[in-house]
Amino acid sequence: DAGVIQSPRHEVTEMGQEVTLRCKPISGHNSLFWYRQTMMRGLELLIYFNNNVPIDDSGMPEDRFSAKMPNASFSTLKIQPSEPRDSAVYFCASSLGGAGSYNEQFFGPGTRLTVL
Amino acid sequence: KQEVTQIPAALSVPEGENLVLNCSFTDSAIYNLQWFRQDPGKGLTSLLLIQSSQREQTSGRLNASLDKSSGRSTLYIAASQPGDSATYLCAVKDTGRRALTFGSGTRLQVQP
Repeated sequence: DAGVIQSPRHEVTEMGQEVTLRCKPISGHNSLFWYRQTMMRGLELLIYFNNNVPIDDSGMPEDRFSAKMPNASFSTLKIQPSEPRDSAVYFCASSLGGAGSYNEQFFGPGTRLTVL
Repeated sequence: KQEVTQIPAALSVPEGENLVLNCSFTDSAIYNLQWFRQDPGKGLTSLLLIQSSQREQTSGRLNASLDKSSGRSTLYIAASQPGDSATYLCAVKDTGRRALTFGSGTRLQVQP
């Protein structure tokens, strides 16, 4: 398996533009997570899905952020409009398991977003 | 709310030394604890996962222990090598929640 795949790897955009980050989880995994990493706050959960359904989006900063998972093999994280403070590395992770899962999470390589 | 703390924030050791990285968490009701490695500009690589019912896990030169009642975990690296230089992150999965709560990491530098 290729692991968790994220695209693009790097994104530079101007304030006010729409940004879409993409993630393909490991085949067969039924939980998908979006995390954000910054120097100030470290790694924080934004949202996670189980069986394509959003379960916990309490980490989503504000209405400018939205995430979708239209099927088991694809998810997007959209920022509209983007702001300089959104600059960070965004990671997608996936894992296998249902309620009370003990299974480990596998992370993608991340998307480094810079908003000018 | 779960909080995870890692000490020290940075560590520099000469090659060949054995070393211990520390992780503490405030809520002991966890499912598991996972140790990751992150190289500069890269993603996270899972090193070890310890279930809440386990005391330790070993993989090669790495050994992770878990004391759930005291809210502590340690990552022991034997005979350190320059290639071990990276940031090591500890993360816990709480009971009833699938997402991980991360510590801020320990940045390790192994001098040749």
